[in-house]
Amino acid sequence: DVKVTQSSRYLVKRTGEKVFLECVQDMDHENMFWYRQDPGLGLRLIYFSYDVKMKEKGDIPEGYSVSREKKERFSLILESASTNQTSMYLCASSDRVITEQYFGPGTRLTVT
Amino acid sequence: KNEVEQSPQNLTAQEGEFITINCSYSVGISALHWLQQHPGGGIVSLFMLSSGKKKHGRLIATINIQEKHSSLHITASHPRDSAVYICAVRIIQGAQKLVFGQGTRLTINP
Repeated sequence: DVKVTQSSRYLVKRTGEKVFLECVQDMDHENMFWYRQDPGLGLRLIYFSYDVKMKEKGDIPEGYSVSREKKERFSLILESASTNQTSMYLCASSDRVITEQYFGPGTRLTVT
Repeated sequence: KNEVEQSPQNLTAQEGEFITINCSYSVGISALHWLQQHPGGGIVSLFMLSSGKKKHGRLIATINIQEKHSSLHITASHPRDSAVYICAVRIIQGAQKLVFGQGTRLTINP
């Protein structure tokens, strides 16, 4: 079974803090994705990576950056957290060929 | 207009009823996914299909490429089927990216 894990289920941070969300997958997948999910807006792609040290912007990259130093790990960074970044953050991975995405359990981030 | 539209947004039914959730899309796609999200956040992939029909237990997914439409059916629904069901498409020019519908919240009452 593919397993995608995220570093925290719940996180509370203050405005202006730097926030790191980590995602690890154990299936040697090439592709990894970060989404945020908000009521009424569905899932929106923030960034994705198709290889180590490679990244591409998704639909809403502003205020976020990512890092992929190892194949199994994809980090999402909020350089200076703001209240409008309060959301559910979901990580996913897929291999290059099959493309079915496997999701982590999500991190509910609250920025106060 | 969203590229992926689901209907209905909310659906409440009694245990045992036959459930249909619809998904329409406006772009060329290479595959369509149906996902399930239970309260608490975790998302599970139910189906990935590019043509025809797939069945898994009480769940059936169909797709009509010409009409750009897919349906997810649940037979003999059960309270444990209560979840948000999400349609997502992989657009032809979109590499590995998915475009998501807003989801359908299904509640099955005992």
